[in-house]
Amino acid sequence: QSVLTQPPSASGTPGQRVTISCSGSSSNIGSNTVNWYQQLPGTAPKLLIYSNNQRPSGVPDRFSGSKSGTSASLAISGLQSEDEADYYCAAWDDSLWSGVFGGGTKLTVL
Amino acid sequence: QVQLQESGPGLVKPSQTLSLTCAVSGDSISSGSYYWNWIRQPAGKGLEWIGRISSSGSTNYNPSLKSRVNISVDTSKSQFSLKLSSLTAADTAVYYCARLNSAYEFDYWGQGTLVTVSS
Repeated sequence: QSVLTQPPSASGTPGQRVTISCSGSSSNIGSNTVNWYQQLPGTAPKLLIYSNNQRPSGVPDRFSGSKSGTSASLAISGLQSEDEADYYCAAWDDSLWSGVFGGGTKLTVL
Repeated sequence: QVQLQESGPGLVKPSQTLSLTCAVSGDSISSGSYYWNWIRQPAGKGLEWIGRISSSGSTNYNPSLKSRVNISVDTSKSQFSLKLSSLTAADTAVYYCARLNSAYEFDYWGQGTLVTVSS
């Protein structure tokens, strides 16, 4: 059971907009920034969004993040087949004094 | 470009201790700005943070693993290590090392190494 809650799956057709939610608590998302990671099949996770809504260099602006209270969201617009991957939210938890991840969302491009 | 590379045995027996090392290149592991982390992922499952260490040796561990985990750093060799004891099949996973920056982002990851716990 992950500390952060994500839907196990999401899907969309090419060109669509998809959002993935991440729910936490006051000790993690509520008091710290949220980061999102993309994991393509058979590879290590890659930082996709940091500090709630910032994109590292090289990440397309089709990817965006937001945070409100104890929840966060990742949005992918103009969905492409290469976006098919697992997506994880993460934050630091001040009560556990540990890093925490969501359970991951498997995105399927139909 | 920062690179991290995990190494260690791919097969360990139940009840034994797993030892993995992460070699860091392209950046000084002695930089006080970062924490060096271990994260694991069982096949088909999500990511689990194991713990972290600073260059000065300060550690934090996942409460659920704390009694079995030890992370150490060797700045002279630019590497850090994981020891996980009393292994069971549930510890079978891909183990990643990763750098955590001052904004709590895992910005660089190793490629991961599969560890199987089996007799």
